[in-house]
Amino acid sequence: GQQLNQSPQSMFIQEGEDVSMNCTSSSIFNTWLWYKQDPGEGPVLLIALYKAGELTSNGRLTAQFGITRKDSFLNISASIPSDVGIYFCAGGTSYGKLTFGQGTILTVHP
Amino acid sequence: DAGVIQSPRHEVTEMGQEVTLRCKPISGHNSLFWYRQTMMRGLELLIYFNNNVPIDDSGMPEDRFSAKMPNASFSTLKIQPSEPRDSAVYFCASSPLQTGQETQYFGPGTRLLVL
Repeated sequence: GQQLNQSPQSMFIQEGEDVSMNCTSSSIFNTWLWYKQDPGEGPVLLIALYKAGELTSNGRLTAQFGITRKDSFLNISASIPSDVGIYFCAGGTSYGKLTFGQGTILTVHP
Repeated sequence: DAGVIQSPRHEVTEMGQEVTLRCKPISGHNSLFWYRQTMMRGLELLIYFNNNVPIDDSGMPEDRFSAKMPNASFSTLKIQPSEPRDSAVYFCASSPLQTGQETQYFGPGTRLLVL
């Protein structure tokens, strides 16, 4: 079946630093999504990408849909303590199903 | 706008008991997904519905698990009998299912502990 490789698994950074994480797959996806999950909550959609090559920003977040449709990255600029959480990438197919990455645990030290 | 609503938020039960988890999707969304999340296995898709019809239940672990969607605004996930290994967080998500824009919105989850 389809699998997503998300890296890194965890990151420990200082407040103010930029963050980059990515997902790769051997399969092609129609949609790439990035979610953030806070402790005790459900994943919250951060950015949705629908076209190969698309670059989208949401505040300090920037994500890109890889031109090959097999990868995506998420950047967070000038991190702040509330960025702490688990970030998931997800690839979508035309059947509506999502395949999730394993998650990146982000810790931000003040 | 109300997001996906799940109940209960927490459930503690004893092995062998029946557990029913409930979900109300976002109004107008015609796809609904049930996931299970554990530390070991991450987010696993259990089953999903399109227009109230189950499309893929290959992720349902055993016959002890069943899911229904009697109408567009309500779904249940039932575990009978429950076992300690069923302890996990169960999420419901809904989607408008627009081809080319497969976006899912998650509920807050039900944290299940089976003793």
